Amino acid sequence: EVQLVESGGGLVQPGGSLRLSCAGSGYTFSSYPMHWVRQAPGKGLDFVSVISSQGGTTYYANSVKGRFTISRDNSKNTLYLQMGSLRPEDTAVYYCARNLVTDKGRGLDYWGQGTLVTVSS
Amino acid sequence: EIVLTQSPGTLSLSPGERVTLSCRASQSVSISYLAWYQQKPGQAPRLLIYGASNRATGIPDRFSGSGSGTDFTLTISRLEPEDFAVYYCQQYDNSPPMYTFGQGTKLEIK
Repeated sequence: EVQLVESGGGLVQPGGSLRLSCAGSGYTFSSYPMHWVRQAPGKGLDFVSVISSQGGTTYYANSVKGRFTISRDNSKNTLYLQMGSLRPEDTAVYYCARNLVTDKGRGLDYWGQGTLVTVSS
Repeated sequence: EIVLTQSPGTLSLSPGERVTLSCRASQSVSISYLAWYQQKPGQAPRLLIYGASNRATGIPDRFSGSGSGTDFTLTISRLEPEDFAVYYCQQYDNSPPMYTFGQGTKLEIK
């Protein structure tokens, strides 16, 4: 059974840092690109970042570029999101998700349960 | 940057009815790169459709997706009580590489 489990969320002051982790199991972690997606309270889904299966390619939403860093350790089946210079508008539930890539199309086929990040003084 | 606009924002329907949700893109989207998700309160999103028309694993056949170019639809042929949720479309854009979501359509019980 495929499982993704996030951890590392919490309350942080504006300007602070936090590192989220996402542990994958039940599949070959290193074969899939991985995403971070966030959802502010009562709002919709927002793409944050994506990393290729081997970690060599990364992309970020403009809103987090230069402040967040996505990485992965395939030997530990774990995805990370290092967040810095945090702002109140970064407050959200952060989800990790697996990127299905097939000849028929793409989608995020497995999601973690989410971890809440609250940026407030 | 491609913008996805979903309509309507909220839809009130009864179990057993048929519903079609719309997702319109500001520029043409490859059908391979259009997906639909369902999200219930307090839960993570669930992939319903990828490649515009392919049902994800375990998704009932009452869910179907169609469309091309800038207009895509998600159809639920006969609403079940568990289908009342928020639905999002998502697209992948090659240049720059971005994954964007629509703002969502809330399907509520009438």
